[in-house]
Amino acid sequence: DAMVIQNPRYQVTQFGKPVTLSCSQTLNHNVMYWYQQKSSQAPKLLFHYYDKDFNNEADTPDNFQSRRPNTSFCFLDIRSPGLGDAAMYLCATSSSGSYNEQFFGPGTRLTVL
Amino acid sequence: RKEVEQDPGPFNVPEGATVAFNCTYSNSASQSFFWYRQDCRKEPKLLMSVYSSGNEDGRFTAQLNRASQYISLLIRDSKLSDSATYLCVVSRGGYQKVTFGTGTKLQVIP
Repeated sequence: DAMVIQNPRYQVTQFGKPVTLSCSQTLNHNVMYWYQQKSSQAPKLLFHYYDKDFNNEADTPDNFQSRRPNTSFCFLDIRSPGLGDAAMYLCATSSSGSYNEQFFGPGTRLTVL
Repeated sequence: RKEVEQDPGPFNVPEGATVAFNCTYSNSASQSFFWYRQDCRKEPKLLMSVYSSGNEDGRFTAQLNRASQYISLLIRDSKLSDSATYLCVVSRGGYQKVTFGTGTKLQVIP
């Protein structure tokens, strides 16, 4: 089945220790998104790629970076995780078009010690 | 004012009840509207897209009111398995930024 895969599902890191979260998709969608979701809050868009074009949200901290080496893969790098970065990180994909839904991966739950 | 607003609930309803949620949006240029369902500690999953003419899928009915800038979700004959958080999602179209509401929590009680 076509799907969005995120690894790892659970990530524990230490304060200030860089961490990379990965997302892959078999849907061949040209748009990929990274969201941060904290408990009882809405998913917050961090950035998205339209093909290789990177689009950063204005309020996304510099601590968060992303790479998309090819259509299938997208990475979220957190350079110096702080306690406030503990959250669920959701990857989503969509096809470009006028009326498109987003397909989400299962998420990576990040704990910062 | 938030771009997308929802009543966080929780809505506690008995099995078999009918329940309705509303979601208001502030950007009149919004073009695409969706309801997603999110179970505890899981990812959001698309429940329904919302069309101008309204749409129905089994026990679920979604409607769009552009004049008043809100969308609604009606759930008939509630099941225990309907217990979840329902997220309203609004998009300016295509791949452009989508905005999530904070969600409405539904708890269906036996």
